[in-house]
Amino acid sequence: EDKVVQSPLSLVVHEGDTVTLNCSYEVTNFRSLLWYKQEKKAPTFLFMLTSSGIEKKSGRLSSILDKKELSSILNITATQTGDSAIYLCAVIGPYKYIFGTGTRLKVLA
Amino acid sequence: EAGVAQSPRYKIIEKRQSVAFWCNPISGHATLYWYQQILGQGPKLLIQFQNNGVVDDSQLPKDRFSAERLKGVDSTLKIQPAKLEDSAVYLCASSLDPQGVVYEKLFFGSGTQLSVL
Repeated sequence: EDKVVQSPLSLVVHEGDTVTLNCSYEVTNFRSLLWYKQEKKAPTFLFMLTSSGIEKKSGRLSSILDKKELSSILNITATQTGDSAIYLCAVIGPYKYIFGTGTRLKVLA
Repeated sequence: EAGVAQSPRYKIIEKRQSVAFWCNPISGHATLYWYQQILGQGPKLLIQFQNNGVVDDSQLPKDRFSAERLKGVDSTLKIQPAKLEDSAVYLCASSLDPQGVVYEKLFFGSGTQLSVL
């Protein structure tokens, strides 16, 4: 059965800290991996990683795909209170979009 | 460009009552998804439409949940009768996917928070 597992489930850090969120997957015919940020209800898109684009960066956020290890990490440097959210990892297989359980990040001032 | 529209934003009902949610995807998006997200969990796919046809409804509890996408545009999701465990956020999402093969990011609506008492 296809599955996506995220760790840790929750994390509390102080402003300025660096965090690393993990996502591992077992999905038949992997196509791409996506990261979303969910602050209230609607998840918003962060990154898409594919075989041809295994590393992405935007400001303080960066993500790497390790196709050998079937995993990805999302790094956030110099965290701010506005980074507090649930971070969702999703993997696309043919006709399928599978989400992990998410990591709940809380950044304290 | 207008985003994915969902209504209502919140709904409180008693168990055994019925409820319906509505979603209007981004114009031109062929694929529409309904997800259920229980507190502390990731979104779980209930049903996926490609235009007005069902691609995947394997996790839809068909004894109480139904969904339709007439004319391949907006969609409704209904629960009848509701149970306590149906309390969740119901998210609608859409993507272009003109060939019916999932390959793009999803655009989400703001969701409906359902509380079943």
